Amino acid sequence: AQKITQTQPGMFVQEKEAVTLDCTYDTSDQSYGLFWYKQPSSGEMIFLIYQGSYDEQNATEGRYSLNFQKARKSANLVISASQLGDSAMYFCAMRDVKTSYDKVIFGPGTSLSVIP
Amino acid sequence: DGGITQSPKYLFRKEGQNVTLSCEQNLNHDAMYWYRQDPGQGLRLIYYSQIVNDFQKGDIAEGYSVSREKKESFPLTVTSAQKNPTAFYLCASSTSPSRGRLGQPQHFGDGTRLSIL
Repeated sequence: AQKITQTQPGMFVQEKEAVTLDCTYDTSDQSYGLFWYKQPSSGEMIFLIYQGSYDEQNATEGRYSLNFQKARKSANLVISASQLGDSAMYFCAMRDVKTSYDKVIFGPGTSLSVIP
Repeated sequence: DGGITQSPKYLFRKEGQNVTLSCEQNLNHDAMYWYRQDPGQGLRLIYYSQIVNDFQKGDIAEGYSVSREKKESFPLTVTSAQKNPTAFYLCASSTSPSRGRLGQPQHFGDGTRLSIL
């Protein structure tokens, strides 16, 4: 069965420093997509970054980058130059496409706190 | 602006009562999803639908029902069979990846907080 693991329930980072949030996944499929979302305390889910299983380069979006290691089945999110507004829950998600259905599963999340 | 609208923002359920959470999108997305989130937890998939008049059970479908009569709408009913309905419910939509867009992210509504009276 597919599964997303985020082993860090909570993380702290000093403002302006970089932080890495871990994500490992389990799938037997060759074609899949990996996503990171941010959830502030207000509850909305904000899409941050995407990595496809066949993408050869690591994805980057502004201060967000994804350290994708396919053989290890890991897709860690790197946030550079942390800001106070980065304090939130962060979720790793995997989209697995088969001909008969489209399913997206989420990990348990990591709570990030940015310290001034 | 295009987006997903969930209503109501807060909902209270009495014992033995069915309640329906609304989810409407004007993004012309084929796929829609319902998730449940408990405090400090991740999102668990309740139901999803790839096309009108078709939907699939997710991991925790027991005690819930859905319908997809229109592309824009995917209401979720929390039935009296769901003994622990208190949670935050999120609706999402996306372009169907079957059209070759695996990387299209889900767009989420602002959620509905359901509590038992």
